[in-house]
Amino acid sequence: QKEVEQDPGPLSVPEGAIVSLNCTYSNSAFQYFMWYRQYSRKGPELLMYTYSSGNKEDGRFTAQVDKSSKYISLFIRDSQPSDSATYLCAMSGVQGAQKLVFGQGTRLTINP
Amino acid sequence: NAGVTQTPKFRVLKTGQSMTLLCAQDMNHEYMYWYRQDPGMGLRLIHYSVGEGTTAKGEVPDGYNVSRLKKQNFLLGLESAAPSQTSVYFCASSYTGDAEAFFGQGTRLTVV
Repeated sequence: QKEVEQDPGPLSVPEGAIVSLNCTYSNSAFQYFMWYRQYSRKGPELLMYTYSSGNKEDGRFTAQVDKSSKYISLFIRDSQPSDSATYLCAMSGVQGAQKLVFGQGTRLTINP
Repeated sequence: NAGVTQTPKFRVLKTGQSMTLLCAQDMNHEYMYWYRQDPGMGLRLIHYSVGEGTTAKGEVPDGYNVSRLKKQNFLLGLESAAPSQTSVYFCASSYTGDAEAFFGQGTRLTVV
């Protein structure tokens, strides 16, 4: 079993829909949780960064962390065609960790 | 702002040939990483470095070597390329192991 599980999709939704992307993990030591967005033929770029449990909002994007369930989510409100990309979750343990652990990535398409 | 720069962007190799991929970062980051990304496999860590002169194996190190002679540069070498090494290679750097990772634009390598 992988340390971080993410449904690869693909996921296709109409413009304006609310999108929910999720990851589950098995390592209870993870404290730092991130979402990266990767456009086609580009490198991943950080979208959201959260520490421990709770919610974080940035414009149309909301990241949620539920450590009791070992489950993180990214919500996209009023989705736009420009949101079409692959979304990767990433996480890390306590301070001193040497690397991030990435999910497989979910390919998302927003249809006009 | 250059960030993380990978050279070259594209390369075609014949089986058995060797090559070196160069990654340069101008953010004074201690940590640097080499990943490969294949369809359906997500990002897989090949090797990484936690500082100048250090290297460590990641998830899929076989067939690759790395060197970090200068803090700003991380080199990935293929001594005898194989078709299984056809992939998109990403370099990344970060201030610490649990901080945001900054990615390069990728190198598309085809081994025929």
